[in-house]
Amino acid sequence: AQSVAQPEDQVNVAEGNPLTVKCTYSVSGNPYLFWYVQYPNRGLQFLLKYITGDNLVKGSYGFEAEFNKSQTSFHLKKPSALVSDSALYFCAKRENAGNMLTFGGGTRLMVKP
Amino acid sequence: EPEVTQTPSHQVTQMGQEVILRCVPISNHLYFYWYRQILGQKVEFLVSFYNNEISEKSEIFDDQFSVERPDGSNFTLKIRSTKLEDSAMYFCASFVSGGFGETQYFGPGTRLLVL
Repeated sequence: AQSVAQPEDQVNVAEGNPLTVKCTYSVSGNPYLFWYVQYPNRGLQFLLKYITGDNLVKGSYGFEAEFNKSQTSFHLKKPSALVSDSALYFCAKRENAGNMLTFGGGTRLMVKP
Repeated sequence: EPEVTQTPSHQVTQMGQEVILRCVPISNHLYFYWYRQILGQKVEFLVSFYNNEISEKSEIFDDQFSVERPDGSNFTLKIRSTKLEDSAMYFCASFVSGGFGETQYFGPGTRLLVL
């Protein structure tokens, strides 16, 4: 079974509308969950992470994500999308036992004016 | 703000040639990583390095790959005899002290093309 799954290859949203990029993970110990964004020809930029505590995590550029233990999900959200949010978004997990990140397949977000 | 840097940004090589990809992690970071991303695919872990030795490696990281930290600042990935399937974007990452909740910071990547 896939450790981190991003079920949508691409998400299209109109500027100003709310956006959601989905991520689910397989359960193994206490997961530490991350979102990264990749702009064209750039590296991976950290957006936000869930370690413990409040299930709603706020991050950079107005993004937030909700950790849902019962649904094993960590969906990325933003109340009002900008054209400049168009990029590739990766969800990642770190297991208890290791320090490397396991990434989902990525979701391309396209925000149209 | 400190950044992870990588050189070169692009490299084209012939199959069978050796390549060395270079990274300068953030200066107070102690854990170093290489990941790769084949075009259109997910980012995959290759190897982690701490205290001058490999701490974890994936099945991708076979005998053709090696890493070292030759001078206390650079962190290099060497591919001894490149294959076509080594064509990918290679990312270096680092973080401070290995705590599970810590954030890994990534460099901009080196795009390797093997012909």
